[in-house]
Amino acid sequence: AAGVIQSPRHLIKEKRETATLKCYPIPRHDTVYWYQQGPGQDPQFLISFYEKMQSDKGSIPDRFSAQQFSDYHSELNMSSLELGDSALYFCASSSANYGYTFGSGTRLTVV
Amino acid sequence: AQSVTQPDIHITVSEGASLELRCNYSYGATPYLFWYVQSPGQGLQLLLKYFSGDTLVQGIKGFEAEFKRSQSSFNLRKPSVHWSDAAEYFCAGPHTGNQFYFGTGTSLTVIP
Repeated sequence: AAGVIQSPRHLIKEKRETATLKCYPIPRHDTVYWYQQGPGQDPQFLISFYEKMQSDKGSIPDRFSAQQFSDYHSELNMSSLELGDSALYFCASSSANYGYTFGSGTRLTVV
Repeated sequence: AQSVTQPDIHITVSEGASLELRCNYSYGATPYLFWYVQSPGQGLQLLLKYFSGDTLVQGIKGFEAEFKRSQSSFNLRKPSVHWSDAAEYFCAGPHTGNQFYFGTGTSLTVIP
């Protein structure tokens, strides 16, 4: 069965650089979520999109932005990267009552 | 505020022993509840979910969970733990709006 695809799997960036993370949800899933998981932490909700519109916003820094495109894939754009942005970034998708399916995550390391 | 809590930060069990990981929720209505497992450096894998109906939910890898409204709990169980079950386990449920709220996780160590 198709799963949530995230790319890249690993990303190394320097401070103050920009990063773009991509998420391809399960086909026919209409909602995409982004989560950030710091080392040893539980995942924290960043932002979600429903039918290409932002539906909810969590603890997403102003330096980050995200959007969902017409093909339902989503991108998380992170600018002016800081060391503290190093984390595992998960994307999840869902549709109605089918629960959330998470991607394998993108591990971002800021050096 | 709606939330889920996992009282146990870390649990150690012997291989072959039974396991129960605790999860408590605070919701006004019947919640949607999930259990996820995360191996080190890996993604989150859904073990099982509860939406409504039968309060005993069967999941993958031999796990089950029971929804108990009277206790506001959704504990995860496994009758016989395998060494490969060592991982971080997260209970989760919908927060306000579309947010998905995770408990702080329970780290499981399995000793031979």
